[in-house]
Amino acid sequence: EDQVTQSPEALRLQEGESSSLNCSYTVSGLRGLFWYRQDPGKGPEFLFTLYSAGEEKEKERLKATLTKKESFLHITAPKPEDSATYLCAVQAPGNQFYFGTGTSLTVIP
Amino acid sequence: KAGVTQTPRYLIKTRGQQVTLSCSPISGHRSVSWYQQTPGQGLQFLFEYFSETQRNKGNFPGRFSGRQFSNSRSEMNVSTLELGDSALYLCASSKPSSEQFFGPGTRLTVL
Repeated sequence: EDQVTQSPEALRLQEGESSSLNCSYTVSGLRGLFWYRQDPGKGPEFLFTLYSAGEEKEKERLKATLTKKESFLHITAPKPEDSATYLCAVQAPGNQFYFGTGTSLTVIP
Repeated sequence: KAGVTQTPRYLIKTRGQQVTLSCSPISGHRSVSWYQQTPGQGLQFLFEYFSETQRNKGNFPGRFSGRQFSNSRSEMNVSTLELGDSALYLCASSKPSSEQFFGPGTRLTVL
């Protein structure tokens, strides 16, 4: 069964304290892995797409990496405005998307 | 480029009523997907439409239905509303085999 698991469920960091969020997946024929950021009461905002193992993408303080079984979202020197829920999704054949339940990140000033 | 728009943004209904939500995708995007988001379940896939045809369907009862028009705009309908249908309903559009872009959602409250 196709599945996406994110950990941890919640993460509290001090401002400037770097960390990583994990997304592990089991899907046959992965077409792409996506990271989103979601603020309370809003729709998810697209961050990155990764297509193959070894691929990396960066945007400001965020870097996403992909292996054959999991993806990591590395947050370097986070700021309070990075506080949000980060969602991971995988795309299977047939344009099926499966989402994880997210990691709620809180960055304390 | 305008993003995905959803109307209305907020809805309050009572049990047993029905509701129709609307989604306008990004120009040029022909795939529209609908999701239900609740605090306990996360994002649950409802269905996906492509060129006016339902291409994929999630595990929801038949009370949930949708359609897509020739201009790619989509609507979803929920009949005989139940308390458990209270959620944020999200619409996402995409090009083939590409990332999805989400709208702001419609917050549905069933009393």
